[in-house]
Amino acid sequence: LAKTTQPISMDSYEGQEVNITCSHNNIATNDYITWYQQFPSQGPRFIIQGYKTKVTNEVASLFIPADRKSSTLSLPRVSLSDTAVYYCLVGDSRDDKIIFGKGTRLHILP
Amino acid sequence: KAGVTQTPRYLIKTRGQQVTLSCSPISGHRSVSWYQQTPGQGLQFLFEYFSETQRNKGNFPGRFSGRQFSNSRSEMNVSTLELGDSALYLCASSLGQRRGTEAFFGQGTRLTVV
Repeated sequence: LAKTTQPISMDSYEGQEVNITCSHNNIATNDYITWYQQFPSQGPRFIIQGYKTKVTNEVASLFIPADRKSSTLSLPRVSLSDTAVYYCLVGDSRDDKIIFGKGTRLHILP
Repeated sequence: KAGVTQTPRYLIKTRGQQVTLSCSPISGHRSVSWYQQTPGQGLQFLFEYFSETQRNKGNFPGRFSGRQFSNSRSEMNVSTLELGDSALYLCASSLGQRRGTEAFFGQGTRLTVV
């Protein structure tokens, strides 16, 4: 069963770039890496997804090294509204479950 | 297009009762997954339905069950409620492709068992 490991919490300041790294040592060949954002009392919201190298969209970038045993979510120029919990997920090809880890609680300071 | 709709938003039940929660997925989505979220355990996968069939199941007791209808709407049922079942129950819908599918979550149903 693929598992992910992320820092429990991180603090940063408005305007900074924030990088959150996730470890997934047992990722399978066909698995994708997906990141979600969750605000209190709301369902998680999809941020970005990738398989290898680098993916960029309007809100974030995802960096995945060649061995795919980790990935880094990069949030450029964060604001107070980026304060949330960020989850890294990998699809498990053996049983098709989507498993959420504990997530990283990101706190943006003014 | 409309997002994932969960009803009711809030619910208070007594120990021993049963409860049914409803989820209407995004139009065209055939997969519906259910999650339980508590402060101590985080987001835990309950089960996934695809085209009216349970495709995957998490490690929850048999008191937790679900079903999916032909229009992809899904319900989950919890029987013989326990205090520990108090949680935010989230439903997510997706197109249903294996791995790497973007899932859309509803606002959740906050269940309180007293």
